[in-house]
Amino acid sequence: DTGVSQDPRHKITKRGQNVTFRCDPISEHNRLYWYRQTLGQGPEFLTYFQNEAQLEKSRLLSDRFSAERPKGSFSTLEIQRTEQGDSAMYLCASSLLQGIDSPLHFGNGTRLTVT
Amino acid sequence: DAKTTQPNSMESNEEEPVHLPCNHSTISGTDYIHWYRQLPSQGPEYVIHGLTSNVNNRMASLAIAEDRKSSTLILHRATLRDAAVYYCILRDTNAGKSTFGDGTTLTVKP
Repeated sequence: DTGVSQDPRHKITKRGQNVTFRCDPISEHNRLYWYRQTLGQGPEFLTYFQNEAQLEKSRLLSDRFSAERPKGSFSTLEIQRTEQGDSAMYLCASSLLQGIDSPLHFGNGTRLTVT
Repeated sequence: DAKTTQPNSMESNEEEPVHLPCNHSTISGTDYIHWYRQLPSQGPEYVIHGLTSNVNNRMASLAIAEDRKSSTLILHRATLRDAAVYYCILRDTNAGKSTFGDGTTLTVKP
């Protein structure tokens, strides 16, 4: 178990630019989640996948945000035309689909700063 | 989805027990109670979870009220490394979306 890894750890971009983040979940985990966290707040749900299917997307997620999980393995989160309000920590988590032992395993996040 | 309510902050002395409360009055029968903690600049870390019975693991104990409308995370001997934000969330057996609140910031004093 190598854990959930996220890349990059930090990203600074100028307003209006596009950014893409990557998440590699724990290999046998078929559920993958994206959360966003701003300073002093708890993680806010964005979207989740079961294998390659995106099952739910938050209403808070604007059309500028898109996530994919091709082949049900790693996932990418893209933000187009970034705005200063997009500055946050973007967290990825994975879990097993079923069973009582289905805790979320988080990566250490990608911190985005939009200038 | 069901929400949880936690105190904003708590303090403890090192090597003393800590009881972190969580209210979840709208919990459904299929919801598991999960606890996570988050250190600065890290993602949340799983601590413990349970359904109805009290649970123990190497990190902590979880005490669940008989009506399941509240629970308490117990750290038996707090250390400075336990200083973190602790989140209580509910996850149903379908393991879909889970909603985090703002958690409890635990300060441990030496």
